[in-house]
Amino acid sequence: DAGVIQSPRHEVTEMGQEVTLRCKPISGHNSLFWYRQTMMRGLELLIYFNNNVPIDDSGMPEDRFSAKMPNASFSTLKIQPSEPRDSAVYFCASSSGLDGGELFFGEGSRLTVL
Amino acid sequence: AQSVSQHNHHVILSEAASLELGCNYSYGGTVNLFWYVQYPGQHLQLLLKYFSGDPLVKGIKGFEAEFIKSKFSFNLRKPSVQWSDTAEYFCAVNARNTDKLIFGTGTRLQVFP
Repeated sequence: DAGVIQSPRHEVTEMGQEVTLRCKPISGHNSLFWYRQTMMRGLELLIYFNNNVPIDDSGMPEDRFSAKMPNASFSTLKIQPSEPRDSAVYFCASSSGLDGGELFFGEGSRLTVL
Repeated sequence: AQSVSQHNHHVILSEAASLELGCNYSYGGTVNLFWYVQYPGQHLQLLLKYFSGDPLVKGIKGFEAEFIKSKFSFNLRKPSVQWSDTAEYFCAVNARNTDKLIFGTGTRLQVFP
């Protein structure tokens, strides 16, 4: 399997622009997670899905952030409008739920908002 | 709510030194415990995990961790570090009845030759 695939790997945008990050989980995994990593806060769980349904979105910072999982093989994290404080590395991870919750991470999307 | 504390934010060692990174969690129920490693510029990879059984868990690259239930701890150890162990290390926990994995803030390890 190719692992968790994220795109884009790097994104530089200007404040106010819409940003869409994409994730393809490992085939057969039924849980998908979005994390944000910053120097100040470390790894924060933003939202996670189980069987395409959002289970916990308590980590989503504010209404500017939204996430969708229209099918088992695709998820998006959207920021609209973006702000400089959104600059971070966004990781997507998936799990099968069979290994006690072991997560498999993608390479991350590094977002810079100017 | 679950939380994970990693007390060492930055550790600097010489090669061949022994390593111990602290991890404490707060949750009253049964948990699964993990250590992940993030090499510079890369994504997180699993080092080792504990679900049940022997509280001393061995992982990849000579790492091990010991679960001490009474102390709510899951410290990571390696008897002799190498320069290639330079990375950031994350402890994580989830409750047995949930997929939600909570990470500590990470410990940055630098190993000098």
